[in-house]
Amino acid sequence: ETGVTQTPRHLVMGMTNKKSLKCEQHLGHNAMYWYKQSAKKPLELMFVYSLEERVENNSVPSRFSPECPNSSHLFLHLHTLQPEDSALYLCASSQDRTGYGELFFGEGSRLTVL
Amino acid sequence: SQQGEEDPQALSIQEGENATMNCSYKTSINNLQWYRQNSGRGLVHLILIRSNEREKHSGRLRVTLDTSKKSSSLLITASRAADTASYFCATDAGAAGNKLTFGGGTRVLVKP
Repeated sequence: ETGVTQTPRHLVMGMTNKKSLKCEQHLGHNAMYWYKQSAKKPLELMFVYSLEERVENNSVPSRFSPECPNSSHLFLHLHTLQPEDSALYLCASSQDRTGYGELFFGEGSRLTVL
Repeated sequence: SQQGEEDPQALSIQEGENATMNCSYKTSINNLQWYRQNSGRGLVHLILIRSNEREKHSGRLRVTLDTSKKSSSLLITASRAADTASYFCATDAGAAGNKLTFGGGTRVLVKP
C-alpha cells in the first residue's frame, strides 16, 4: 500500500460506545495530523504529532484521545461522544516537521454519533 | 485565528470555461497552499506557493499570490467535469508553530 490509509471508512456509534480510528502512513513522513471536517465549517486541526511527540492540541475535548505509537501510525480513541461530533475525520502526514509543508491526506473516516 | 477565506463559496461553470477562485488571509505567511477535495474524500495537494513567489503554474492550474493584499487566486483553465470538487486554500501561521489552517472552500461544479 502507498500513501495514507484510514480505517474504518465509516463508523456509527452510540454516545456510550468506545471506538478508535486508525491511520497509517507509508510515506516515511515525520509528522502526522488529525483534522475534523464538519458540514459548513472549515477544516479544524485537532492534533499534531512530530516524531511521535504531540506538538499541537487545539483545545479538543478529552473525549477525543490521540495516540501515536510510532511515526507510521496514529490513532484517535473515541469515548462518550456527542451527536455534534459527527463529522469526517481526516488524517494527514507530512515530511516537513514544521507543519508548513505539503500535507498528504487519507480518505477520511466518516463518523456518525447517534 | 489565522485562516484563509475563499471567495466565492460556490461556482458553477460549463465544461471548457475557466474557473477562478480567491483566497484572502489575515497575517503574514511563509507559504500558501491549494488543495482539492472530491465529495466525501480526502484532500489532495495541488500547489504550494511561497511568500516570495508571485505566480506558479501546474498543468491547467495557475496560482497567484499578492502578499501586499494578502490574497491568492487559483485559476483552472479549460475546465472538465472531473474538476468538480471543493477547493481549499491553506495558510501557515508564520511563527506560531506546527499549524496549517484551511479556509471554508469553494465548491466548483463543472457542467458537461
